[in-house]
Amino acid sequence: EAQVTQNPRYLITVTGKKLTVTCSQNMNHEYMSWYRQDPGLGLRQIYYSMNVEVTDKGDVPEGYKVSRKEKRNFPLILESPSPNQTSLYFCASSRGDTSNQPQHFGDGTRLSIL
Amino acid sequence: KNQVEQSPQSLIILEGKNCTLQCNYTVSPFSNLRWYKQDTGRGPVSLTIMTFSENTKSNGRYTATLDADTKQSSLHITASQLSDSASYICVVSRQTGANNLFFGTGTRLTVIP
Repeated sequence: EAQVTQNPRYLITVTGKKLTVTCSQNMNHEYMSWYRQDPGLGLRQIYYSMNVEVTDKGDVPEGYKVSRKEKRNFPLILESPSPNQTSLYFCASSRGDTSNQPQHFGDGTRLSIL
Repeated sequence: KNQVEQSPQSLIILEGKNCTLQCNYTVSPFSNLRWYKQDTGRGPVSLTIMTFSENTKSNGRYTATLDADTKQSSLHITASQLSDSASYICVVSRQTGANNLFFGTGTRLTVIP
């Protein structure tokens, strides 16, 4: 089954404790991205990657890091999480350029930073 | 400024009734417009995608329309079911640039028995 898998689905942690949210897709998609979703603000892009070893900032990259060492994986790293990063996070992938291809989303990771 | 605005923010309808959700955009140059359905606790799932030359597209009981001249789209849901309760997100794609997707904030639809 074609899917985007995120882990963990839920996490409660404390300020400053480094965490990683993993994202894996099994569709051999070139393009992957991370979003956060907050009430009233909709989905906002954090980082995206157009292929292996190619990453770039989205609209709200501050406080986040990503890496793309393999085509299927695109982890999101919070080096020193803060309460304002409490949010619902989604990973998405698509074949090629997102201007023409629909995105496939994971089921989300709900992060609470205390 | 590239923007996507959806209305209404929320909507409650009776099961079996029809409804229409609206999306206005200012994204340019326009590439395509997508409607996604997001169930509570799940990621968005694509319903339709329309390019400049398409003015209507259906997916079962969902019909999307696009007026590229007025930069408006609507999503019409026919004979609503309880399972239609979800958020519906309009996403507009720009032709150029790698960071080229613009998201609306969604319409929260609740279908009641």
